[in-house]
Amino acid sequence: GENVEQHPSTLSVQEGDSAVIKCTYSDSASNYFPWYKQELGKRPQLIIDIRSNVGEKKDQRIAVTLNKTAKHFSLHITETQPEDSAVYFCAASKTSDKLIFGTGTRLQVFP
Amino acid sequence: NAGVTQTPKFQVLKTGQSMTLQCAQDMNHNSMYWYRQDPGMGLRLIYYSASEGTTDKGEVPNGYNVSRLNKREFSLRLESAAPSQTSVYFCASTGGSKAFFGQGTRLTVV
Repeated sequence: GENVEQHPSTLSVQEGDSAVIKCTYSDSASNYFPWYKQELGKRPQLIIDIRSNVGEKKDQRIAVTLNKTAKHFSLHITETQPEDSAVYFCAASKTSDKLIFGTGTRLQVFP
Repeated sequence: NAGVTQTPKFQVLKTGQSMTLQCAQDMNHNSMYWYRQDPGMGLRLIYYSASEGTTDKGEVPNGYNVSRLNKREFSLRLESAAPSQTSVYFCASTGGSKAFFGQGTRLTVV
């Protein structure tokens, strides 16, 4: 079955710097790659996703890139702000199959 | 439109007790999930249901049973709770691949 690895497990940046979180997946048939943000004590919420027919997607300060050949995808957050502090999860799935999550990255943005 | 609703929010059980976590979604989604979240361990899939009447084991199914009662409801049962089952449990449903989560159940087994 699918296996998703996520790095780093913790990431500390200064406000205004960029943050990058990387994930790799094992199943070459996976075609959907979402990213979730979980604030302390709350439920995970979708922030951006990408499908395998697209190499990059942007939404304001966040972007996701996908390299199908290498089977890895990354989340990029630019101009980080303290409110970006949270745990971020990547995930992977194929059509009509279950969503498998990475182990999460705790991002801390220091003012 | 409430999205995904799970109950209860908090629960304390004694070792050996049983309980059922309830989950319902009003988004007409086919797929529903139960995950557990332990510190530093991310979201681990317990059971998955692709449609009404079907269930599949996930990564950590031991000690749990599930029931997909209808398209809306997907319950998780602990028959004999153990301290190792202390965790936060999330129900989720997917529509067009996008997952929506319930608010979580914080379960403590003493």
